[in-house]
Amino acid sequence: LAKTTQPISMDSYEGQEVNITCSHNNIATNDYITWYQQFPSQGPRFIIQGYKTKVTNEVASLFIPADRKSSTLSLPRVSLSDTAVYYCLLSDSWGKLQFGAGTQVVVTP
Amino acid sequence: ETGVTQTPRHLVMGMTNKKSLKCEQHLGHNAMYWYKQSAKKPLELMFVYSLEERVENNSVPSRFSPECPNSSHLFLHLHTLQPEDSALYLCASSPGVSSTEAFFGQGTRLTVV
Repeated sequence: LAKTTQPISMDSYEGQEVNITCSHNNIATNDYITWYQQFPSQGPRFIIQGYKTKVTNEVASLFIPADRKSSTLSLPRVSLSDTAVYYCLLSDSWGKLQFGAGTQVVVTP
Repeated sequence: ETGVTQTPRHLVMGMTNKKSLKCEQHLGHNAMYWYKQSAKKPLELMFVYSLEERVENNSVPSRFSPECPNSSHLFLHLHTLQPEDSALYLCASSPGVSSTEAFFGQGTRLTVV
């Protein structure tokens, strides 16, 4: 599976929008882009997934440019409870999930 | 609550002990997974089961022995572990091995002394 690169950490204040960009220059045609969220001492939780363009759900939005070499997870109006590690993953038709180091997002009042 | 339940939540064991971790899901999923998460390291996929058959074993030492008696239950049998095996062990399930949305349990925090 192609590798992903994302920032190690990001800090934000409550009520702000947080955008986490993930690079995946070697993404394959069959790869989907999937984001997970993990709180301390808990298992990761699926947030959103996309193949191209924009995907939005009740939690976040995912922006994918035409070349698909990067993607941006957008968390609108974050709260303290959004403090977590966010993982960007590529998964092919076999569904194999390979987690990287993730981005630690810290939201402060 | 994800629908995937792991027990125990915490476990302390000596290096000569034998213990088992249990995972249970009633989501009707056909695929189940064991992951290991060590401090400051990414999640490592250990084992994958599809319809009770092991389909992947990522070079995991034999002191970790998985068992999947049915599609709802997954065990990880532990014996003669090392202190470096201390980690958070996470179980997950998905509708099938081709699914990219996995549901994770809360994990078992294992400490080997």
